[in-house]
Amino acid sequence: QQQVKQSPQSLIVQKGGISIINCAYENTAFDYFPWYQQFPGKGPALLIAIRPDVSEKKEGRFTISFNKSAKQFSLHIMDSQPGDSATYFCAARLAAGNKLTFGGGTRVLVKP
Amino acid sequence: EPEVTQTPSHQVTQMGQEVILRCVPISNHLYFYWYRQILGQKVEFLVSFYNNEISEKSEIFDDQFSVERPDGSNFTLKIRSTKLEDSAMYFCASIGDRVKSGYTFGSGTRLTVV
Repeated sequence: QQQVKQSPQSLIVQKGGISIINCAYENTAFDYFPWYQQFPGKGPALLIAIRPDVSEKKEGRFTISFNKSAKQFSLHIMDSQPGDSATYFCAARLAAGNKLTFGGGTRVLVKP
Repeated sequence: EPEVTQTPSHQVTQMGQEVILRCVPISNHLYFYWYRQILGQKVEFLVSFYNNEISEKSEIFDDQFSVERPDGSNFTLKIRSTKLEDSAMYFCASIGDRVKSGYTFGSGTRLTVV
């Protein structure tokens, strides 16, 4: 019930295309859903986050769509650039606790 | 931009040895965490620390692990007797306001147990 399932495991997209990564959760007690970007040898860096009372949040080329009834959320990267090539993790945090539960990660490769 | 600093960046240790991983969280942050990432796998929660005590820990965080904030700036993770399966990237993270802010992670310490 604590799991966050992420798909796909890897993604190849052409420069200028849209990258879409999906996550699903079971526990309705999660109250905060961040996405992290991780480059090789670096720690995860917060990209964008959403709370369940909002259905969509956009920051630049990055958009989170949130479907509370389906318990799913997704990250859209518009106009993907080679510099976006990284591993992306979705995560969820319990309202009553401190810890983040991470999805399995998606390795995105943007081809020039 | 404020950073979470971790040292060393890479540590190789013999199985059974003790290791201490060090972190300097962002100065005005109040909540501190350790996570680990086994190569190619997802990031896993180890422990959270607030007000000088552990607030939550995972099943991974057994008696071999301990955390300490020995002074006002450092936050350490100690593994008493390392095992081969402890080989992973260990990330420290901190947040200032649990409601408003997201986690800031350090760049990690790669621990290799041989």
